[in-house]
Amino acid sequence: DTEVTQTPKHLVMGMTNKKSLKCEQHMGHRAMYWYKQKAKKPPELMFVYSYEKLSINESVPSRFSPECPNSSLLNLHLHALQPEDSALYLCASSQDPSSYNEQFFGPGTRLTVL
Amino acid sequence: AQTVTQSQPEMSVQEAETVTLSCTYDTSESDYYLFWYKQPPSRQMILVIRQEAYKQQNATENRFSVNFQKAAKSFSLKISDSQLGDAAMYFCAYRIFTSGTYKYIFGTGTRLKVLA
Repeated sequence: DTEVTQTPKHLVMGMTNKKSLKCEQHMGHRAMYWYKQKAKKPPELMFVYSYEKLSINESVPSRFSPECPNSSLLNLHLHALQPEDSALYLCASSQDPSSYNEQFFGPGTRLTVL
Repeated sequence: AQTVTQSQPEMSVQEAETVTLSCTYDTSESDYYLFWYKQPPSRQMILVIRQEAYKQQNATENRFSVNFQKAAKSFSLKISDSQLGDAAMYFCAYRIFTSGTYKYIFGTGTRLKVLA
């Protein structure tokens, strides 16, 4: 199984809502990543988890709250978002945080904030 | 600071022809890794090819090959015998090690159109 799955595929939420994005992999990878991608732009790194611990937070606003409950699962909790947060949110994983191996990307969750 | 530059926002190629996508980067490191990722429309990003900086030999994966010029800090992607399925956004990426883990620096991307 060389797949990273993300749910939901699409999400529409109001600025007062609370929602969560979910990412799952069963490749035994110990590094997991959240990216934000605006249309026609490259992915921007948000968070990195290394062995279930947050190792990088790229100065992301606190309305985005990541969580890594176990080595296979990564969540991104959303609260009080702004319309400019509308984007494709990509999850990725790699075998080891300090290894040579590539990152595997999920298909993304397309988020619209009204 | 490490930066990755893709100077071609969009490229077109005729089916079965060859196209080269450009990428330059800036780094003070001597050992690093470079990648080309492909993101088809509404589909997930996948790795096309990777290059270790310490290897002088250019990486090749079937119809995809790179021209890695370390001194010039250039890492171009050549796609031979282009196919309709090659149409996608292509991102060049440089990987850096920071805070005990690796993270990618992506270029701005090149949209490749393949004409039938």
